[in-house]
Amino acid sequence: QVQLQESGPGLVKPSQTLSLTCTVSGGSISSGGYYWSWIRQHPGKGLEWIGYIYYSGSTYYNPSLKSRVTISVDTSKNQFSLKLSSVTAADTAVYYCARDIPSTTPGGGDWFDPWGQGTLVTVSS
Amino acid sequence: QSVLTQPPSVSGAPGQRVTISCTGSSSNIGAGYDVHWYQQLPGTAPKLLIYGNSNRPSGVPDRFSGSKSGTSASLAITGLQAEDEADYYCQSYDSSLSGMFGGGTKLTVL
Repeated sequence: QVQLQESGPGLVKPSQTLSLTCTVSGGSISSGGYYWSWIRQHPGKGLEWIGYIYYSGSTYYNPSLKSRVTISVDTSKNQFSLKLSSVTAADTAVYYCARDIPSTTPGGGDWFDPWGQGTLVTVSS
Repeated sequence: QSVLTQPPSVSGAPGQRVTISCTGSSSNIGAGYDVHWYQQLPGTAPKLLIYGNSNRPSGVPDRFSGSKSGTSASLAITGLQAEDEADYYCQSYDSSLSGMFGGGTKLTVL
């Protein structure tokens, strides 16, 4: 079955760019039919969707983060990546990657399955 | 700020039935978008519990069920077990494309 694994630095300095990669195994991003999302969870808080990418490279971002977010895909490595610029302490969170499954029902909406195990990124000098 | 409202906490004794509500608006649940539910055990990633309002993925016990009506949805857990103690999140599409998850509900098994 499909598995996802996040990787990247656990500590980023304020004003710098957070960079994470999600490696997908057990399935090919290039096969299409799914989107690939980043979601974060602030310590002790709820979940916040950051954005998604399709294998073709088309993206869609949370409007509240859009100005700082870039998601890219490398189909040759079966990976997709997140870059979040100009980070502050408010960006300290556990970052998850997840497969985004579109509903077959028109207007149904997407859901996320499976999720990676998550990686904690702390923004601190 | 979540556009979907959940109670911060619910509790129940083993064997009991509990429900968790998820209240939205005309821009999300009330617009006809499906509701999905996730279970997050302590220290782990969220796991899909219910998709498309009431569908269970393979491997999810039938003790878990979901429903939707109007601008709200509910997750019901019957025959409560100690292993059900977790945080539960609802999720739906919202026209604002932000805050699509509920704030989460902590389930305590007494």
